Amino acid sequence: QKEVEQNSGPLSVPEGAIASLNCTYSDRVSQSFFWYRQYSGKSPELIMSIYSNGDKEDGRFTAQLNKASQYVSLLIRDSQPSDSATYLCAVNRDGTASKLTFGTGTRLQVTL
Amino acid sequence: GAGVSQSPRYKVAKRGQDVALRCDPISGHVSLFWYQQALGQGPEFLTYFQNEAQLDKSGLPSDRFFAERPEGSVSTLKIQRTQQEDSAVYLCASSLHGLSSYNEQFFGPGTRLTVL
Repeated sequence: QKEVEQNSGPLSVPEGAIASLNCTYSDRVSQSFFWYRQYSGKSPELIMSIYSNGDKEDGRFTAQLNKASQYVSLLIRDSQPSDSATYLCAVNRDGTASKLTFGTGTRLQVTL
Repeated sequence: GAGVSQSPRYKVAKRGQDVALRCDPISGHVSLFWYQQALGQGPEFLTYFQNEAQLDKSGLPSDRFFAERPEGSVSTLKIQRTQQEDSAVYLCASSLHGLSSYNEQFFGPGTRLTVL
């Protein structure tokens, strides 16, 4: 079992719709969770961080965390063609090791 | 303010050559990380510095890989006797604080290494 799992996609949504990206992780002691956006040929760009159970909203983005289910998700409202990218889920295990463990990413395509 | 910078952006090496990749973190950031990203995969952790101390090098794939951050700012990742399997994008990230999981990491543009 991979430590961080994501559906590779592509996930195709029409412009203006809600895109829902999901991630599961295996290590119960994981404490912090991050979503990065990566355009083709570019480096990862941090878009959301979440540390406690529940929802966290920032503009069109909402991160959701459920530690009991070991599940974290990212919702993108009013999807735009510029949102087309690969979305990487990253997990930080605990306070003594700040390295991130990444999933393989989900490719999102927003169609006109 | 400037972000994380890396150089060179692209490097082509012949198998067996040594290469050195440079990372300049965001000013004032205590922590610096190196990751390796293969095509179609997420970044994989290589090593971590807090200031000049290398606190974790568990991800370095072999003893051909060596990293340093002698003055606690700029870091260099060196790969000796490069092999074709070393071809990847090498990403550097920095974060403001030291040992803490509540610690956002910001990535540089990466160095794409191709070993022929």
